[in-house]
Amino acid sequence: ELKVEQNPLFLSMQEGKNYTIYCNYSTTSDRLYWYRQDPGKSLESLFVLLSNGAVKQEGRLMASLDTKARLSTLHITAAVHDLSATYFCAVDRYFGNEKLTFGTGTRLTIIP
Amino acid sequence: KAGVTQTPRYLIKTRGQQVTLSCSPISGHRSVSWYQQTPGQGLQFLFEYFSETQRNKGNFPGRFSGRQFSNSRSEMNVSTLELGDSALYLCASSSLTGDTQYFGPGTRLTVL
Repeated sequence: ELKVEQNPLFLSMQEGKNYTIYCNYSTTSDRLYWYRQDPGKSLESLFVLLSNGAVKQEGRLMASLDTKARLSTLHITAAVHDLSATYFCAVDRYFGNEKLTFGTGTRLTIIP
Repeated sequence: KAGVTQTPRYLIKTRGQQVTLSCSPISGHRSVSWYQQTPGQGLQFLFEYFSETQRNKGNFPGRFSGRQFSNSRSEMNVSTLELGDSALYLCASSSLTGDTQYFGPGTRLTVL
């Protein structure tokens, strides 16, 4: 059974600081996703990582994938308050299998 | 392009009743997946439909069912509601190539 673990579960950080969220998964996977969720809202797609060594960046967020280590990271650079949200990573088992297994989520709070 | 739409957005039911939720995918998307989100269990996969056929099913009891129509719209039904069925139900759609899943706003179901 595919398991996805995220850490930390909660993260409180000051504006302007850098931090990293980690996502480990238990079995080989074709694709890894990062989503953002604001309170009471749905999931917003941030990144899709398809291959080993993939790195994608959007604004202050950068995601990377190491398939050999079964690890993805979401790095936040010079955090701003607007980045406060819950971040989920999700993995699917193989291409064409539209079944995502989600991590527990990381609730990020940026303190001014 | 319009996003994924879900109706209704909020629903209050009592134990023992049944409920039907609706999802309209992004135009051109043929895969529709359903997820349940609760504070205790997180995001869990319910089932996925493609071209009116259920391709994947999560570990939920038979009270949870779904279907997809020829226009790719999907419905999920929960019979004999229990208090533990209170959750945010999210629908997601993806294209044939399955690059990413796009989520709708969700239906928040409260069972009293």
